[in-house]
Amino acid sequence: QSVLTQPPSVSGAPGQRVTISCTGSSSNIGAGYDVHWYQQLPGTAPKFLIYDNTNRPSGVPDRFSGSKSGTSASLAITGLQAEDEADYYCQSYDSSLGGWVFGGGTKLTVL
Amino acid sequence: QVQLQESGPGLVKPSETLSLTCTVSGGSISSYYWSWIRQPPGKGLEWIGNIYFSGSTNYNPSLKSRLTISVDTSKNQFSLKLGSMTAADTAVYYCAREGPNCRGTSCYDYWGQGTLVTVSS
Repeated sequence: QSVLTQPPSVSGAPGQRVTISCTGSSSNIGAGYDVHWYQQLPGTAPKFLIYDNTNRPSGVPDRFSGSKSGTSASLAITGLQAEDEADYYCQSYDSSLGGWVFGGGTKLTVL
Repeated sequence: QVQLQESGPGLVKPSETLSLTCTVSGGSISSYYWSWIRQPPGKGLEWIGNIYFSGSTNYNPSLKSRLTISVDTSKNQFSLKLGSMTAADTAVYYCAREGPNCRGTSCYDYWGQGTLVTVSS
């Protein structure tokens, strides 16, 4: 069981907006550690999507955005496209575990 | 463009030691942290450990007793050794670079394609 909790699945129709939550605790997100997000297309390595809660690396469309509040973070995807269908992972640091941790992942289905 | 490539055996027997190497091309291994991350089939990602180019390491406490990560700057490579392998260690093993732009918490901006390691007799 991951210390960062994500919904197992979310879905949306093309063009719609979806959000993926990442819920932590006082030893990780709530302690002020930044959250990063990754997109993993089927059969491929994860791709760097959002860093330091809200920032997009070069080349990531502005349809992807991140936010953080309290012990949680969220990834929002607007204008859903078929190619957005993938698994999404949040990542941070946990001081109780003494290491870097990932959420369990969320499978996004574009209907 | 930085590229990472994992290499090593695809099959390891129970109780044996896994040895993997990650070769970095398109950039120097110096001045960065480098990580190993794994993903059991159909499951999520797990951070294994990291190493700075100088050789200092951090290990996942749950794997620390079985784990050694080393670096060879002359070859632009870093390596993982994980002992006493069991079926629970079956996973795709990724190497990754820790991005220099992340403020306080390590992030991973470049990843290898991953290599599947199966533990079976």
